Amino acid sequence: KAGVTQTPRYLIKTRGQQVTLSCSPISGHRSVSWYQQTPGQGLQFLFEYFSETQRNKGNFPGRFSGRQFSNSRSEMNVSTLELGDSALYLCASSLSGGTYTGELFFGEGSRLTVL
Amino acid sequence: DQQVKQNSPSLSVQEGRISILNCDYTNSMFDYFLWYKKYPAEGPTFLISISSIKDKNEDGRFTVFLNKSAKHLSLHIVPSQPGDSAVYFCAASAKGGSNYKLTFGKGTLLTVNP
Repeated sequence: KAGVTQTPRYLIKTRGQQVTLSCSPISGHRSVSWYQQTPGQGLQFLFEYFSETQRNKGNFPGRFSGRQFSNSRSEMNVSTLELGDSALYLCASSLSGGTYTGELFFGEGSRLTVL
Repeated sequence: DQQVKQNSPSLSVQEGRISILNCDYTNSMFDYFLWYKKYPAEGPTFLISISSIKDKNEDGRFTVFLNKSAKHLSLHIVPSQPGDSAVYFCAASAKGGSNYKLTFGKGTLLTVNP
């Protein structure tokens, strides 16, 4: 069973540009969530999608957005990049929402560097 | 406001000894707790979890203890092995919430020396 796939694995952008990251969840998983990992802040929740609907959002500015497609694949977009957006962006999938029943399965992440 | 705190950024132990990783939380609504392990260049992987109705959960060499009154949990690894060297994240989920939003600590880097 294939795991969570994130593309691209590494990318370099300059300030002011925008970036789109992609995530393919484990087959059958309908929930996709995104996290930002930085050395100083650990893993911080960005947002979660289930059946193409954003169900929850973390405390990030509106420059961070996402969407989910009918096949459960998800993308996140960051516009007007800032130096502080340099981070590892992790996607995680799980079977469904509702009461907590299981763990998240993470991809290997997309390492974004903003110059 | 950091709701899940791992106050030790790093921990070093000898192979074969016990590793104890600690985690404190402030949100009394948290009712499910997890530990994830992360190797460099890989995503975090689930290790072990515990519900707030329990005070201990064991899985092989890994045991998680929960002290609700102190809002404290710990992960014990016995015996520690060099392959356990990784960053360990403590995470918590709020009561009534779903599994899509976990609040993570900043992680503890465990180094197990041969």
